[in-house]
Amino acid sequence: DIQLTQSPSFLSASVGDRVTITCRASQGISSYLAWYQQKPGKAPKLLIYAASTLQSGVPSRFSGSGSGTEFTLTVSSLQPEDFATYYCQHLNSYPFTFGGGTKVGIK
Amino acid sequence: EVQVVESGGGLVQPGGSLRLSCAASGFTFSDHYMDWVRQAPGRGLEWVGRIRNKAKSYATEYAASVKGRFTISRDDSKNSLYLQMNSLTTEDTAVYYCGRGVSVSGRTWVDPWGQGTLVTVSS
Repeated sequence: DIQLTQSPSFLSASVGDRVTITCRASQGISSYLAWYQQKPGKAPKLLIYAASTLQSGVPSRFSGSGSGTEFTLTVSSLQPEDFATYYCQHLNSYPFTFGGGTKVGIK
Repeated sequence: EVQVVESGGGLVQPGGSLRLSCAASGFTFSDHYMDWVRQAPGRGLEWVGRIRNKAKSYATEYAASVKGRFTISRDDSKNSLYLQMNSLTTEDTAVYYCGRGVSVSGRTWVDPWGQGTLVTVSS
């Protein structure tokens, strides 16, 4: 099975900061990667699919990049509503797996 | 509005069974693949499985941790998705989410997910 390793596991940031989260795959997954945002007690929300395509309705401060084994999610200017946990998920082959998550907290 | 709503969670003893349901609305359910994921208390997300649509013969895929114990099915006439869970253990305690598959860019991504239903396996 393909393993996804997210880093960091936790980061603290301030409103207006630029934040970058990394997701590394144990083998090449082309661009078959999605990013989700999850707030406490809520369902995951799709932000990015196909590594870099912004889901409809998601603010443009979110962006994704990468292919193969290394991917990044960037928030260009962190807003109060962006404090949450972020997960990557690959859809290259079954079984699909998620990264361990990155919690973005308030500095 | 596209919506999926899970139900059927609750308390079950180890070794027991439970059937979750997912009611879909706001889209043509029969056209879409559907997924289940789960999240144990305080833990990350775990993909459980997928069922394809009629065009793909309702084929299913499962995570190794549930294969042989869980069965995903659907009733397109009722716009409903199901997760039959047997031989439950305490490790299956989690919030279970269903989600709609959307085929774009060569893959089927999932959006949206429902609000989830809690399954607690305990004696």
